[in-house]
Amino acid sequence: EAAVTQSPRNKVAVTGGKVTLSCNQTNNHNNMYWYRQDTGHGLRLIHYSYGAGSTEKGDIPDGYKASRPSQENFSLILELATPSQTSVYFCASGDHWGGETLYFGSGTRLTVL
Amino acid sequence: GQQVQQSPASLVLQEGENAELQCNFSTSLNSMQWFYQRPGGSLVSLFYNPSGTKHSGRLTSTTVIKERRSSLHISSSQTTDSGTYLCALVNNAGAKLTFGGGTRLTVRP
Repeated sequence: EAAVTQSPRNKVAVTGGKVTLSCNQTNNHNNMYWYRQDTGHGLRLIHYSYGAGSTEKGDIPDGYKASRPSQENFSLILELATPSQTSVYFCASGDHWGGETLYFGSGTRLTVL
Repeated sequence: GQQVQQSPASLVLQEGENAELQCNFSTSLNSMQWFYQRPGGSLVSLFYNPSGTKHSGRLTSTTVIKERRSSLHISSSQTTDSGTYLCALVNNAGAKLTFGGGTRLTVRP
């Protein structure tokens, strides 16, 4: 079973502060994703990556940056956090483009005050 | 509008009853996946099913492309089936998954 680990599990940040959410996967998957989950919106794709050094914009990228320094690690960066970014964030990884099974981390609950 | 719509939004069953969850999509389909989300937890893939019918234990997934729908049938529900069920489609324009809003299932003993 693929392992996807997110950190931190919970985070409280202040408006205007910088927040970095980290994700590590140990199954050598090429593709990694960041989603946020909000009541009434389901899961929405923020950024994704095809491999080390690549980042792509998802459906709601505004206010977020992503970094993929290695095959294993994919970070989501909020340079200037806002209360509207309060949400639960999920990282996922997968391997077979177009028909892959995704493996999800346990999520990070972010509260921006 | 929303590309993927799930129904019902919530469902309450008595243990032993069957459930039928629906997913309708408005764009062309490359593949369809179903996920289970534990209460307050992560997501687990149940089925990758681009077309036809697939079985896994008490779960059955059926995708009918020309009707733009997919369903998840749960037979003889158990309290441990409680949680949220999400469908996600991968469309022909790329390989990003677009999720539906989910069905929150509660199974009472």
